[in-house]
Amino acid sequence: ETGVTQTPRHLVMGMTNKKSLKCEQHLGHNAMYWYKQSAKKPLELMFVYNFKEQTENNSVPSRFSPECPNSSHLFLHLHTLQPEDSALYLCASSQGPRTDRAEAFFGQGTRLTVV
Amino acid sequence: LAKTTQPISMDSYEGQEVNITCSHNNIATNDYITWYQQFPSQGPRFIIQGYKTKVTNEVASLFIPADRKSSTLSLPRVSLSDTAVYYCLVGESGNTGKLIFGQGTTLQVKP
Repeated sequence: ETGVTQTPRHLVMGMTNKKSLKCEQHLGHNAMYWYKQSAKKPLELMFVYNFKEQTENNSVPSRFSPECPNSSHLFLHLHTLQPEDSALYLCASSQGPRTDRAEAFFGQGTRLTVV
Repeated sequence: LAKTTQPISMDSYEGQEVNITCSHNNIATNDYITWYQQFPSQGPRFIIQGYKTKVTNEVASLFIPADRKSSTLSLPRVSLSDTAVYYCLVGESGNTGKLIFGQGTTLQVKP
């Protein structure tokens, strides 16, 4: 248990569906992240939020829409996804925003399958 | 951006000490070096962090030479459960708080 909780753990969705991934942390952290990890590939940073403000969008397609209503919650809204978007989506948090102390805590991830 | 270079894979046997070296030639003065461990279908888990010389905790040791252009993660007496991917990260200067993961080193521990 890392203190970062992601729901759901598994999700199967059609290409025309709309779904949302949720991430919650009560560690008092100010930075939250979304990562994508495709099979046998390194983690790809998608979005970074510092103090609820988006500070990084790593050229992510608009079919992925993040939302950070407060410093404890982070959402990833999904719509009209493609099969190649199937991956493990990981949320993380850290004290942030500086990374000279780069200890982050990761959730267990959501295994997304797009059919 | 401080890039890191690690071996793609390593094999070891139970009970052996494993040393994984990471190169980070462009490390900045304020950057720390951090190592994570990841098991399949799980999020990475923090192992150890250091700035210079040697750091030791209950899981591993981290050796950093004076020039800080490389670092070595040392896992004492590995077991089968240490089979995982190990990532070396170097913190970016600035305020964006990005954590950039490279390809990592896949460690396979054999009986």
